[in-house]
Amino acid sequence: NAGVMQNPRHLVRRRGQEARLRCSPMKGHSHVYWYRQLPEEGLKFMVYLQKENIIDESGMPKERFSAEFPKEGPSILRIQQVVRGDSAAYFCASSPNTGTGLNEQYFGPGTRLTVT
Amino acid sequence: GESVGLHLPTLSVQEGDNSIINCAYSNSASDYFIWYKQESGKGPQFIIDIRSNMDKRQGQRVTVLLNKTVKHLSLQIAATQPGDSAVYFCADGSRQGGKLIFGQGTELSVKP
Repeated sequence: NAGVMQNPRHLVRRRGQEARLRCSPMKGHSHVYWYRQLPEEGLKFMVYLQKENIIDESGMPKERFSAEFPKEGPSILRIQQVVRGDSAAYFCASSPNTGTGLNEQYFGPGTRLTVT
Repeated sequence: GESVGLHLPTLSVQEGDNSIINCAYSNSASDYFIWYKQESGKGPQFIIDIRSNMDKRQGQRVTVLLNKTVKHLSLQIAATQPGDSAVYFCADGSRQGGKLIFGQGTELSVKP
């Protein structure tokens, strides 16, 4: 059973360009979470999605950032008009919908975004 | 505001010794915690979790202790090995919808 897949692993963008980060959850998982990790810091929650629905986007910056999890295909985190402060590692995690109330999340390897 | 924090940013131990990594939380309503291990350049890896109806939970070479009275939890690693060198995060998984609130992390270094 393949784990959470993220691509690209490394992404370099110039200021003002768009960044698209992709996440394929583990097989059978219908819940996707995105987190951002700045250097020397812990992970910060950004957004929680289920198929075709954004459930919680309380951690997303109000502008330039968007996320989707379509019925078919991977979840996408999109950052428009990137700035240097967007440079970070972006991690995706997936969780099964077990209904138990527990929330064991499995993380992907991350995408390291560098804005030049 | 609510927070999850770790007591020490770095911890250095001798190979074979036991390691103890501590974490404090502020929300008395929190009832589910997870420990993650993150190696350099990789994503966090699930180690062990614990719910508030338990004080202790054991895995392979790891034990998590939860003290709800003082809002503190710890991760104990027995017979620490070089492969245990990583940053360890505690996370609060109690929030509606399941988003995780991470602490800053403790970097564990194992000396051979």
